[in-house]
Parts: sequence; structure tokens; C-alpha cells
Amino acid sequence: DGGITQSPKYLFRKEGQNVTLSCEQNLNHDAMYWYRQDPGQGLRLIYYSQIVNDFQKGDIAEGYSVSREKKESFPLTVTSAQKNPTAFYLCASSSIRTVNTEAFFGQGTRLTVV
Amino acid sequence: KQEVTQIPAALSVPEGENLVLNCSFTDSAIYNLQWFRQDPGKGLTSLLLIQSSQREQTSGRLNASLDKSSGRSTLYIAASQPGDSATYLCAVHQAAGNKLTFGGGTRVLVKP
Repeated sequence: DGGITQSPKYLFRKEGQNVTLSCEQNLNHDAMYWYRQDPGQGLRLIYYSQIVNDFQKGDIAEGYSVSREKKESFPLTVTSAQKNPTAFYLCASSSIRTVNTEAFFGQGTRLTVV
Repeated sequence: KQEVTQIPAALSVPEGENLVLNCSFTDSAIYNLQWFRQDPGKGLTSLLLIQSSQREQTSGRLNASLDKSSGRSTLYIAASQPGDSATYLCAVHQAAGNKLTFGGGTRVLVKP
């Protein structure tokens, strides 16, 4: 079954902890993205990657880190430096540099600070 | 910097009425524009993709138009149904940096 898988669906973090959100795709897409969504708002770009071992900061990268060691995987770490991490996190992938490139999304991870 | 705006932020209509959702963007150097649907607590489902050279794209009751020169796209949903209640988001795929930038969404309620 082709698509994007995010795990876990729900995640709880204590103050001062780092947590890692998983995103895996089997669509053979080069580009992968992480977005944050707060209640009643649109999506804001955290990080994106167009190729293995390379990634760029989005609009709200502070307090987050990523890696892209494999084409299929783009994990996001929410560090203790992120002061307000409670949000819904969405991962997406797409092919690159073509007018047909369509983005596909995972089902999201809801992170709550306890 | 690309900015994407969706107006209105919320919309409530009686069942059967046609829906018109607007999306505007500031930088016309795009590969394409995509419309998504999001149900509460869920991920995004792609509805339509319009390439930068296209003016229109249709799928069933959905029709999306694109006027790249004026930075506008409109999503029309004909004969709305209660099942169309959701948040609709537009996103532009920028040529510069290959980024996908989203609008704030329009929350739609179709009343039976």
C-alpha cells in the first residue's frame, strides 16, 4: 500500500524532554516536508528536504531538528528548546521540479506537553 | 516571500447551495496549486491539482480555476452536501526552493 506513514498518532512529552516523530514514505519521492498546525490555523513549514543528506529550514525551525539519511525517512525531533511544542504535526512528500508534482500527507502526530 | 491567503475563514451554507472558496497568492512563479480537504484531527486529502499552465481542473462536483497572473484560484463545489463539511486548504508549490506554502484554510459547514 503506497503512501506516507507517521508515527505515533499521539505523543506526550514532559517538560525538558526531546521527542522524535517518525515519517516514512514508499512513494519514491525526493522531497519531504514537516509542518506544524495549531488549532484553527493553517500549516506552517518547519523543515524540508529535497535530497538525501540535505535539508533546509522553513519558517519556524527554531527548537526543531531533522535528518535525512534515507530517501524514505525524514524524522523530526522536537527539542527542549521548543517552548510551545503542543500542536498537530504533519509530514508530506512530493516529487520535485515538475508541474505535475502532487504533495501527499500522512495522518499526523498530535504532540501534547504534560 | 510567498504569502497565501484564503477568504473567507469560515462559511456556513444550507445543503444544496453552491460553495465558492477563494485563494490568493503573492508570487506567481509557481509549479502548481493544490486544493486539500482536512477533516477534524486528520491529515490532508488532495482534491485537485492545477498546473501553472492550466486554467481549470475538474473532478466530479469540484471545479478549480487558476489565474496565475493575478495570483488567484477559486474552488467551486456544486450542490453542497453535509458530508462536504470540512476545512479546505490551498497550497502553492513554489519554483524557488521547491517549497509548498499554505493558506490559512476555509472552514465549511453545510447545514442539512
